Amino acid sequence: QKEVEQNSGPLSVPEGAIASLNCTYSDRVSQSFFWYRQYSGKSPELIMSIYSNGDKEDGRFTAQLNKASQYVSLLIRDSQPSDSATYLCAVNSVRGADGLTFGKGTHLIIQP
Amino acid sequence: DAGVIQSPRHEVTEMGQEVTLRCKPISGHDYLFWYRQTMMRGLELLIYFNNNVPIDDSGMPEDRFSAKMPNASFSTLKIQPSEPRDSAVYFCASSGLLPKNIQYFGAGTRLSVL
Repeated sequence: QKEVEQNSGPLSVPEGAIASLNCTYSDRVSQSFFWYRQYSGKSPELIMSIYSNGDKEDGRFTAQLNKASQYVSLLIRDSQPSDSATYLCAVNSVRGADGLTFGKGTHLIIQP
Repeated sequence: DAGVIQSPRHEVTEMGQEVTLRCKPISGHDYLFWYRQTMMRGLELLIYFNNNVPIDDSGMPEDRFSAKMPNASFSTLKIQPSEPRDSAVYFCASSGLLPKNIQYFGAGTRLSVL
């Protein structure tokens, strides 16, 4: 049974600080990794995708992947109140090459 | 592009009734996915299609659930008969071949079965 684990939070971070979100996955053959942001009552929105070990930066967001440790993280620099949302980690599924398995998400609160 | 379009946005029905959810994927996308989201279980993959063909339906909870994709621009998810435990938000997502697995979600259908 493939699993994606995230701390459910809430994770509270002061405005302007760095928010660090973590995710572990159980299936070693996973190849694609994603972070989605979901506001309450809305649909998931892709923030970052990462496919190889190391860091990938896009604006205030940095995704980090360590396949040996089966660990993915998302850093949000200069956190803003608008970053308050649930962040979902997703990996491709062994059941089908293209289906995604999601973690249950981390609820992030940016305190003004 | 209009994005992935789902209808209806909200559906309230009584136990035992048939429910049909609809999805129009992004034009040109080859893959279509149906997910269900609940507080208890999070976001779960139900079924996905590639070029209108169902590839993996192992996530479909039971025979009461069925999905079809008669053409590249339309898919349905049907529940017959519906039960209160089917209450959830149902999302449709689509993706193209490249970059692989970038899935774009529709706004979802919030289903309440009374």
